[in-house]
Amino acid sequence: EVQLVQSGAEVKKPGESLKISCKGSGYNFANFWIGWVRQMPGKGLEWMGIIYPGDSDIRYNPSFQGQVTISADKSITTAYLHWSGLKASDTAIYYCARQGINPYWYFDLWGRGTLVTVSS
Amino acid sequence: EIVLTQSPATLSVSPGERATLSCRASQSVSRNLAWYQRKPGQAPTLLIYGASTRATGIPARFSGSGSGTEFTLTISSLQSEDFAVYFCHQYNNLPQAFGQGTKVEIK
Repeated sequence: EVQLVQSGAEVKKPGESLKISCKGSGYNFANFWIGWVRQMPGKGLEWMGIIYPGDSDIRYNPSFQGQVTISADKSITTAYLHWSGLKASDTAIYYCARQGINPYWYFDLWGRGTLVTVSS
Repeated sequence: EIVLTQSPATLSVSPGERATLSCRASQSVSRNLAWYQRKPGQAPTLLIYGASTRATGIPARFSGSGSGTEFTLTISSLQSEDFAVYFCHQYNNLPQAFGQGTKVEIK
């Protein structure tokens, strides 16, 4: 089955670090761009950036560059989203989603989302 | 950066009626626009890509139209399972962008 399985919900304190994951299966993980999408409480979707696991080419939304780090390990078909110092405003659901073979493509497969709660 | 504006924010429709959702782009995205459905607790689902092409397995009651800056998603006869939030997404330019969503609720 073609799917993206995301890591479970997290509760963290401001300033802590966090890495959430997204494991792809059922397809050639290295050959499809993977994106991260944020949904803050009561808000719409925000495109954070995408990575091509085959060579780790990354395209960030300037609004998120420097705030998060996107990475991938094609050997274990997993993409990551990392924060070095969380803020309360990072509280959101984070989705990973598969794009196509180029960075100008739609998302045809989504994970179920990871809820990140940052609170003191 | 391209901004997508969806309208209305909420659409109240009776089962069996037609629903028309709008997505407007701040500059042309050609036909590089997709629509997604999101239900609570579930992963979003791709409905339409290329402005008008239905994704695999999507019922024919879902249709998309438009190009450039004006796009429409039409659900011809709403079924109970269609009550959800719908997002448009432009992938013509980086950074890509989503609309804020339209919630389709039961009237």
